[in-house]
This record gives sequence, C-alpha cells and structure tokens, in this order.
Amino acid sequence: EVLLVESGGGLVQPGRSLRLSCAASGFSFEDYAMHWVRQAPGKGLEWVSGISLNSNSIGYADSVKGRFTISRDNAKKSLFLQMNSLRAEDTAFYYCAKNMMGSSWYRGYFDPWGQGILVTVSS
Amino acid sequence: QSVLTQPPSVSGAPGQRVTISCTGSSSNIGAGYDVHWYQQLPGTAPKLLIFRNNNRPSGVPDRFSGSHSGASATLAISGLQAEDEADYYCHSYDNYLSGSEVFGGGTRLTVL
Repeated sequence: EVLLVESGGGLVQPGRSLRLSCAASGFSFEDYAMHWVRQAPGKGLEWVSGISLNSNSIGYADSVKGRFTISRDNAKKSLFLQMNSLRAEDTAFYYCAKNMMGSSWYRGYFDPWGQGILVTVSS
Repeated sequence: QSVLTQPPSVSGAPGQRVTISCTGSSSNIGAGYDVHWYQQLPGTAPKLLIFRNNNRPSGVPDRFSGSHSGASATLAISGLQAEDEADYYCHSYDNYLSGSEVFGGGTRLTVL
C-alpha cells in the first residue's frame, strides 16, 4: 500500500521557522516527483511546491518563493519542506502528494495524498 | 481569487445528475494542459477522482465523468448518492511566468 505520512507541524510564532517531513512507503520513491499542497482551515487547496525525482527541477508558488525550500532524500524515502519567515497566512494543513505522469514536477496529477499536518502561525 | 473558477456550491437530490464547471484561461486549460479532479470528504485528505480530463482511477464508480472544451472543464456526477456529499476541486498547470500547478476554489456538493 502506498503511504505518505507528514510530520513536524505545530504552533510557531510569526517570523520563525519550521521543517515538515513526509515519509513515503509502498512505492519506489526515487521514481516519482513529489509535491506539497496546503489548505487553510475552511478554505480551498493551494499548491505550494513541487520537486522532480532527482531534485533537478523545483517549482514554488509565488506566495512562498524565497521563504520555503523543498528537498528530498531518496535514500531515506523522505520529502521535506523548510519553512522560514512564517506568517499568519501560512497557517494551514500541509499535505504531501505523489506526482503521477513524468519525471518532473509539473503537469502531473497527485495521487495519493498524505493525511496532512497542521501548521499554526500565531503569537 | 483562484486561477481556476468553480461555483462555490451545487446541490441535487439522490439519483439526479449534477455538473461542476471549472473555467480557466489561455495560460492553463485553454493552453491544452490536462485537468484533474479531486474529491475531499469532510475531515479527510483529497482523493484523486478524475485524471487527464476524463480518466477514472481504479475504484472510482463510472457515475463520475470528466470532460473539457476550450478553456473549461466539467465534472459530471450521475445517480447522486448521499456519500457523494463532499468538496470537489479541479487542478491544472498554468504556464504564466515560471509556471505553477493551480487549483479551482472548490465546489461543495450537497445531496438534498
């Protein structure tokens, strides 16, 4: 069974940093691009970032560019999201998702999704 | 304001057919990029419902279907059932500037 499990969320003050992790199992992690997608409480989905299978190609939403960094460790079957200079508007459930279609991060679809992890930015 | 536009809500009685529209522009759906749909049941993670415009993953009933034309896409659900009550999101790629994945704002389906 393909499984994605996020961790590292919690309450953090504005301006501080947080690092999310996503542990993958049940598939050849190194063969798939991966994504982070977030959802503010009661709101819609917002794509955050994507990374190609070999980390050579990376994309970010304008709302997080320069503050967030996506990375992966294929040997450890793990995806990461380093979030710096956090703002109240970054408060959301963060989901990792496996990219289907192609080796790069763009133009694919997401299946499956992790269960999500809540990040709350507040003083 | 989402790049892809969906109606905030739709409703229908059990057994009826409903459609959810997803309107984009020349930099996303209109440029020929595929449209995908996700279903999000209350309190759960999104689940892939339709991929590459009109394909169903294994396990998704054939009551769900997708289509697209020009810069728009449509999700149709026939034979509505109570368990279909959920939020539905469309997704595509947008080539504006450096490019990004984009979602619709989501549509809440209520089964009356």
